[in-house]
Amino acid sequence: QSALTQPASVSGSPGQSITISCTGTSSDVGGYNYVSWYQQHPGKAPKLMIYDVNNRPSGVSYRFSGSKSGNTASLTISGLQTEDEADYYCSSYTTSSLVFGGGTKLTVL
Amino acid sequence: EVQLVQSGAEVKKPGESLRISCQGSGYSFTTYWINWVRQVPGKGLEWMGRIDPSDSYTNYSPSFQGHVSISADKSISTAYLQWSSLKASDTAMYYCARRFSSWIDSWGQGTLVTVSS
Repeated sequence: QSALTQPASVSGSPGQSITISCTGTSSDVGGYNYVSWYQQHPGKAPKLMIYDVNNRPSGVSYRFSGSKSGNTASLTISGLQTEDEADYYCSSYTTSSLVFGGGTKLTVL
Repeated sequence: EVQLVQSGAEVKKPGESLRISCQGSGYSFTTYWINWVRQVPGKGLEWMGRIDPSDSYTNYSPSFQGHVSISADKSISTAYLQWSSLKASDTAMYYCARRFSSWIDSWGQGTLVTVSS
């Protein structure tokens, strides 16, 4: 299975909003409402930010939200803060496995 | 509190064998699948495979099938990732991660494996 497609990098200023896209196929992103998003700071393990397209785990800021249209899912971060600077990965359930996106580096200018 | 604690960093030579571990605590170990995820330095996350600790059923990504083996010992709440013959290209950080439904909700701290002659 191929990795999901994400932009290599995005940037924004504090207080702004950004959106990271994640494009797959009808066999993964488009076929299930099982997209999740992970944040990874340098030298740390990933952290779950969004599950099942648009659900936030307890403790994750309301500034993080998810959506999906067809074969493309999106993560939006509103009111950017410096601590949001990190790598972000999408993931999608397939029939019996998980597939990750290539990752997007978010820079908060 | 759910915790996944992995074994420490390893330095090995090409052709050597290796088994790294991941011990779960704070939950019923047999209830949730354990996944293994590779991250080559400076690169992204790659799903390697998973095991159901209740019956040790496994499935693997085609990219890793035949090169690694995933196992578990439910009596000690521990999952393993094993290589019989390491290559330099296996140098990476390896994470174990608990799968809850269709997402991963908990990650181990990672085990760095360095393979060099």
